[in-house]
Amino acid sequence: TQLLEQSPQFLSIQEGENLTVYCNSSSVFSSLQWYRQEPGEGPVLLVTVVTGGEVKKLKRLTFQFGDARKDSSLHITAAQPGDTGLYLCAGGGGTYKYIFGTGTRLKVLA
Amino acid sequence: SAVISQKPSRDICQRGTSLTIQCQVDSQVTMMFWYRQQPGQSLTLIATANQGSEATYESGFVIDKFPISRPNLTFSTLTVSNMSPEDSSIYLCSVEDTTSGMTDTQYFGPGTRLTVL
Repeated sequence: TQLLEQSPQFLSIQEGENLTVYCNSSSVFSSLQWYRQEPGEGPVLLVTVVTGGEVKKLKRLTFQFGDARKDSSLHITAAQPGDTGLYLCAGGGGTYKYIFGTGTRLKVLA
Repeated sequence: SAVISQKPSRDICQRGTSLTIQCQVDSQVTMMFWYRQQPGQSLTLIATANQGSEATYESGFVIDKFPISRPNLTFSTLTVSNMSPEDSSIYLCSVEDTTSGMTDTQYFGPGTRLTVL
């Protein structure tokens, strides 16, 4: 049973546009991570959020953890071709240790 | 952060054979994990490997099919046994970050791309 649903599944946008990726669950997680994976490589950690309502910024990327710690979002401002990749959220803690989301494949066109 | 290497990076194997994948970490870690990523899919945890104890397998994965060794705190192997085309996937090892104080954070190796004919 998949516990973390991401939307959209695929996204193709022009350089300079903004986008938001969502990660939703019916379960509570003690923490949530976002990773980016490029072809031929393993996922690379972008951020970990642990507090409900927490917002973290990493340059043009803004991550938010839902108040109830069941969902999260990733917002990219002024997307660039280098942002292209597979974005994965992952929930940690307790029984649901290391459950990965369904993934969002992003393509940014120059 | 930990630096993780995997061998081989890719392989093409015949049905019915077995392949052992190696994972090496540049520092001592308690927990190592093995994942499978099927083409175009997300990651699925196969098992958790702790040094000095039997690996803990997730639902749908069994030791006879995916035997794991963890001889020390920097190394682990995953064997894919009696392979079939359905085993064609990327296999990834990861370790838990225990230095930053952030729990539930992992670092991944580059993966092993397996194709079974």
